[in-house]
Amino acid sequence: KAGVTQTPRYLIKTRGQQVTLSCSPISGHRSVSWYQQTPGQGLQFLFEYFSETQRNKGNFPGRFSGRQFSNSRSEMNVSTLELGDSALYLCASSSGQGETQYFGPGTRLLVL
Amino acid sequence: LAKTTQPISMDSYEGQEVNITCSHNNIATNDYITWYQQFPSQGPRFIIQGYKTKVTNEVASLFIPADRKSSTLSLPRVSLSDTAVYYCLVRRSGGYQKVTFGTGTKLQVIP
Repeated sequence: KAGVTQTPRYLIKTRGQQVTLSCSPISGHRSVSWYQQTPGQGLQFLFEYFSETQRNKGNFPGRFSGRQFSNSRSEMNVSTLELGDSALYLCASSSGQGETQYFGPGTRLLVL
Repeated sequence: LAKTTQPISMDSYEGQEVNITCSHNNIATNDYITWYQQFPSQGPRFIIQGYKTKVTNEVASLFIPADRKSSTLSLPRVSLSDTAVYYCLVRRSGGYQKVTFGTGTKLQVIP
């Protein structure tokens, strides 16, 4: 069974731009969560989607948004990028609420 | 969800058994303990998960005492490739919750 895939793997943007990251969960998994990882703040929860509905949200500004499609694939969007948004963005999928999460390789975003 | 506390770092020589302990004093009845391994610039990899007593798989063992307020990840005969950050995580079965990762334990295996 293929694992979680994330695209693109690397991305360079400039301040003020917006970016969209994509995540394809493990086949059969319906829950997708997003995390931001930085050296200073560690792994921080962004949001979780299940059946196309956001079920939980972390403490991030409204510039961070996401959505989930009917095939469980998910995208996250960051608008008006700031230098501090430079991070590794991780997507994790699980078979359902509260189940074990399996992570993708991440998207490395660099904001200049 | 229960907050977890782990040592920030550990060193071990190749071939030794490594035990990493995680404290989760406020663990609830329907909480499970999950451990992940993460290499630099990669996503965390699921290692092992348990509820109580002992769980063993091909990679590691997980020991959970009766009060479940702590857990110990045991890695047998570590090699240089086991150098990574190890995260202990408490997750609740059912329902949606904000998953909180702690600082993790940076394991350095020395030749």
